[in-house]
Amino acid sequence: GQQVMQIPQYQHVQEGEDFTTYCNSSTTLSNIQWYKQRPGGHPVFLIQLVKSGEVKKQKRLTFQFGEAKKNSSLHITATQTTDVGTYFCAGPGGKLIFGQGTELSVKP
Amino acid sequence: NAGVTQTPKFRVLKTGQSMTLLCAQDMNHEYMYWYRQDPGMGLRLIHYSVGEGTTAKGEVPDGYNVSRLKKQNFLLGLESAAPSQTSVYFCASTKTTPYEQYFGPGTRLTVT
Repeated sequence: GQQVMQIPQYQHVQEGEDFTTYCNSSTTLSNIQWYKQRPGGHPVFLIQLVKSGEVKKQKRLTFQFGEAKKNSSLHITATQTTDVGTYFCAGPGGKLIFGQGTELSVKP
Repeated sequence: NAGVTQTPKFRVLKTGQSMTLLCAQDMNHEYMYWYRQDPGMGLRLIHYSVGEGTTAKGEVPDGYNVSRLKKQNFLLGLESAAPSQTSVYFCASTKTTPYEQYFGPGTRLTVT
């Protein structure tokens, strides 16, 4: 069945450093979504990418969808302590398959 | 709007006991989902529903049953709880696909 693999599993950074998490699918995705889960919280939707090669920005967050629509990435510039949490990619459609998530910790 | 609510928030069961988790949404969403979350495993889909009266199996359906008798409610049942079902359970809903999913606050279940 379809699998969505996410790396790394954990990332520890110093505040101000950049952070990137990668998502790879075994099959072509019609779309991909990204979610953030704060410690002790529930996943919250961040963004959806649909087009091949699409790049979207939300303040310090940059999301990319690969040309072949089989991979995606989330890049955070100059991390802050408020960025702490687990970031999940998920795709696609009615039966979302989530990646294992990347847990980000930020040292002040 | 309350969004997606889950009842109860915490529960401890003994092996073999049964229970029902309730999910309710007030956004008139068609699709509803039950996930379990275990450390290092991400979110795994248990069952889902694409409309009132319909249900379908997800990735890890064994040991669980669901019902969607009303559009706003999605129930997850454990008939005979096992320690392997210790997890955090999240319910989610969406208007249709491929729109964003809205998650409830979760239910932390421990089976001893």
